[in-house]
Amino acid sequence: DVKVTQSSRYLVKRTGEKVFLECVQDMDHENMFWYRQDPGLGLRLIYFSYDVKMKEKGDIPEGYSVSREKKERFSLILESASTNQTSMYLCASSLAGEMGREQYFGPGTRLTVT
Amino acid sequence: QKEVEQNSGPLSVPEGAIASLNCTYSDRGSQSFFWYRQYSGKSPELIMFIYSNGDKEDGRFTAQLNKASQYVSLLIRDSQPSDSATYLCAANIAVQGGSEKLVFGKGTKLTVNP
Repeated sequence: DVKVTQSSRYLVKRTGEKVFLECVQDMDHENMFWYRQDPGLGLRLIYFSYDVKMKEKGDIPEGYSVSREKKERFSLILESASTNQTSMYLCASSLAGEMGREQYFGPGTRLTVT
Repeated sequence: QKEVEQNSGPLSVPEGAIASLNCTYSDRGSQSFFWYRQYSGKSPELIMFIYSNGDKEDGRFTAQLNKASQYVSLLIRDSQPSDSATYLCAANIAVQGGSEKLVFGKGTKLTVNP
């Protein structure tokens, strides 16, 4: 079974703090993704990576950065947290392939910025 | 902007009935389509994927794909109260560099009434 884990289920941070969200997958997947999910807005892609040290901007990268130093680990960084970054953050991974491959999600981190 | 559209619902069906969930996509280049189920407060869970025109059956679930009409559907036979969840449709989109990402619809909320 594919397993994607995220470092925290719930996190409360103050405005201006630097926040690190960690994601680890154990199935040797090439691709990893960070999404946020908000009511009425659905899943929105923040950043993704298709190889170690590679990263691509998604649809809403502003205010975020990422790091992928090892194949199994993909970190999302909020450089200076703001209240509008309060959200559910979901990490996912997938194999690479000619056709789109299914993504497997971690349990999510519910981040509250006060 | 490449999109996946779903009726947000809520869709309400009685226990034992067939639930029909629909999805359209805008990118004719999409080749892979996915249905995820998401319970409240949980992360999305892959139910089915489909690549070819026609039907694909897995237990009580049937995915249908019509590439000419850019239409994907999910049928749930003998609906159970445990099927009550939000169902997300996704399609793959090619991006620069040969990698791919998924574009998700906002989801349809299904309620199965006992």
